Amino acid sequence: AQKVTQAQTEISVVEKEDVTLDCVYETRDTTYYLFWYKQPPSGELVFLIRRNSFDEQNEISGRYSWNFQKSTSSFNFTITASQVVDSAVYFCALRGYNTDKLIFGTGTRLQVFP
Amino acid sequence: DTAVSQTPKYLVTQMGNDKSIKCEQNLGHDTMYWYKQDSKKFLKIMFSYNNKELIINETVPNRFSPKSPDKAHLNLHINSLELGDSAVYFCASSQELETSGVQETQYFGPGTRLLVL
Repeated sequence: AQKVTQAQTEISVVEKEDVTLDCVYETRDTTYYLFWYKQPPSGELVFLIRRNSFDEQNEISGRYSWNFQKSTSSFNFTITASQVVDSAVYFCALRGYNTDKLIFGTGTRLQVFP
Repeated sequence: DTAVSQTPKYLVTQMGNDKSIKCEQNLGHDTMYWYKQDSKKFLKIMFSYNNKELIINETVPNRFSPKSPDKAHLNLHINSLELGDSAVYFCASSQELETSGVQETQYFGPGTRLLVL
């Protein structure tokens, strides 16, 4: 069975703080794909990143960075110098190799206060 | 130039009515999906279509029926609406890689907020 756990339901930080959103996954597939999506207050789902299971390199995109560790089945997301516009619900998701189905975590609501 | 669009954005209706939500993608993708997001923000897949063929059909009441007139459109018809159908419904699309058959990233529409009274 496949499962994604985002244990942090809600995180509140003050602007310019760094914040890490945790994601732990379970799968029996040897090849799989991990994703992060952002859902701002306006409600749409915005794709942020996709990572293949055979590529454990960490990735940085501006203030965003992702730490993929197969040994701990984690795919954590860090926002550096957070801004009010980062306030949103962030979803981690998993997809197995031979399926189209995205399994989502329950989301982490991030609130960044000025 | 919206990639994945849905209409309507908001839908308020009475119990027992039949309604449809439309989805269109202009990305040239061959696979489309419907997801449901409940009041606790939990997202779950309902259906997926690849080139007009039903691929995934999760445990969804048969009051829900997807219809794909062509690969750029996937509509969701809901019969005999119930209070529990109130949710946000998201359409998404992705492209299958010819070389591997693996699906690429799913891109989502803006969502349709359905409220059943």
